[in-house]
Amino acid sequence: EAGVAQSPRYKIIEKRQSVAFWCNPISGHATLYWYQQILGQGPKLLIQFQNNGVVDDSQLPKDRFSAERLKGVDSTLKIQPAKLEDSAVYLCASSLGGSQNQPQHFGDGTRLSIL
Amino acid sequence: GDSVTQMEGPVTLSEEAFLTINCTYTATGYPSLFWYVQYPGEGLQLLLKATKADDKGSNKGFEATYRKETTSFHLEKGSVQVSDSAVYFCALSDGSARQLTFGSGTQLTVLP
Repeated sequence: EAGVAQSPRYKIIEKRQSVAFWCNPISGHATLYWYQQILGQGPKLLIQFQNNGVVDDSQLPKDRFSAERLKGVDSTLKIQPAKLEDSAVYLCASSLGGSQNQPQHFGDGTRLSIL
Repeated sequence: GDSVTQMEGPVTLSEEAFLTINCTYTATGYPSLFWYVQYPGEGLQLLLKATKADDKGSNKGFEATYRKETTSFHLEKGSVQVSDSAVYFCALSDGSARQLTFGSGTQLTVLP
């Protein structure tokens, strides 16, 4: 089966600019996650969707970050305006949902550099 | 809240050496435990998992046993290969939201 697809792979922008990332989950996966992975750290959850509804966005900096999952499939994550501390890899993951034993499948991520 | 503490790296081993990466956790419920591996420039891949106490997860020669009494899930492999060089993350999933809480990762380098 095709894995989780993310684009772009790399993005370089200046601070205060805006940027958007795209994610296409594995077909049939109801749950979609966005993580932020700062260099040298483990991924940190930003937002979780179940179909096209938000389950948890408690760690999303809502003054600058937004995410949507229209039609319960693809998702976009946006940062506006970007700050230097947003430099990180942004990972998208998906799972079938259901019990907590369902594994999450990760995309290769988008590496964001803020100048 | 939930947390995962991993052995700090980096870890450097010679090929065919024995590997242990320590992982302990704190959780309010009865979590599932996971090890993920991240190769350079790639996303995370599930390596193995265990869903209840005393379960042993295994894959590709790696093993980890869910120890509730010591709240640990240490990763082991009897003979590492150069291709095992990667960053290894311990994680737990707890509660109805099924979210993953990750450790900070351990960089493993295996030398030929």
